[in-house]
Amino acid sequence: AQSVSQHNHHVILSEAASLELGCNYSYGGTVNLFWYVQYPGQHLQLLLKYFSGDPLVKGIKGFEAEFIKSKFSFNLRKPSVQWSDTAEYFCAADSWGKLQFGAGTQVVVTP
Amino acid sequence: EPEVTQTPSHQVTQMGQEVILRCVPISNHLYFYWYRQILGQKVEFLVSFYNNEISEKSEIFDDQFSVERPDGSNFTLKIRSTKLEDSAMYFCASSETQSYNEQFFGPGTRLTVL
Repeated sequence: AQSVSQHNHHVILSEAASLELGCNYSYGGTVNLFWYVQYPGQHLQLLLKYFSGDPLVKGIKGFEAEFIKSKFSFNLRKPSVQWSDTAEYFCAADSWGKLQFGAGTQVVVTP
Repeated sequence: EPEVTQTPSHQVTQMGQEVILRCVPISNHLYFYWYRQILGQKVEFLVSFYNNEISEKSEIFDDQFSVERPDGSNFTLKIRSTKLEDSAMYFCASSETQSYNEQFFGPGTRLTVL
């Protein structure tokens, strides 16, 4: 069965620390991959996406993600987080328009 | 910047009642979706809609659910007879194409069934 799993449910870190959120997917064929973010009280927003080509994709707000096909992974990274990065982060895989989400990771950045 | 809007932001209803959740997708988008998130659980796909027809639906989307695009702008989700377990956040999304494209999400409607 197709699935998306995120490794951490909650992450707490200090400002300027580096962030890496794990995401693994289980899909049989071509898959498009996304990271969405939901800031407190706001709607889901796209951080970045991978369809094909360079496996290292850069998104908004200094985030990047690396697609590693052999590991079925699409991990999200940010070298130095800010307090404003406090949010819930969702990895998602798209197969013909049907997004399948991971459980989400709540990230809290302390000043 | 264009955005997806949803109304109401919060709906409280009694079990067995019908509810209609409304969405206004981005105007040039052709594909529309509903997702839901039960508290503490994953965001789950419900249904996709294109050219006035359902493209795909999940197992959750049973006969109690229906979708409609009654005019050129609104996209609605109807739950005919609500159950307690329908309490969730319902998100509408839209995209220009079916795949290889970002889905833009609305702010959600929190449905509480008592």
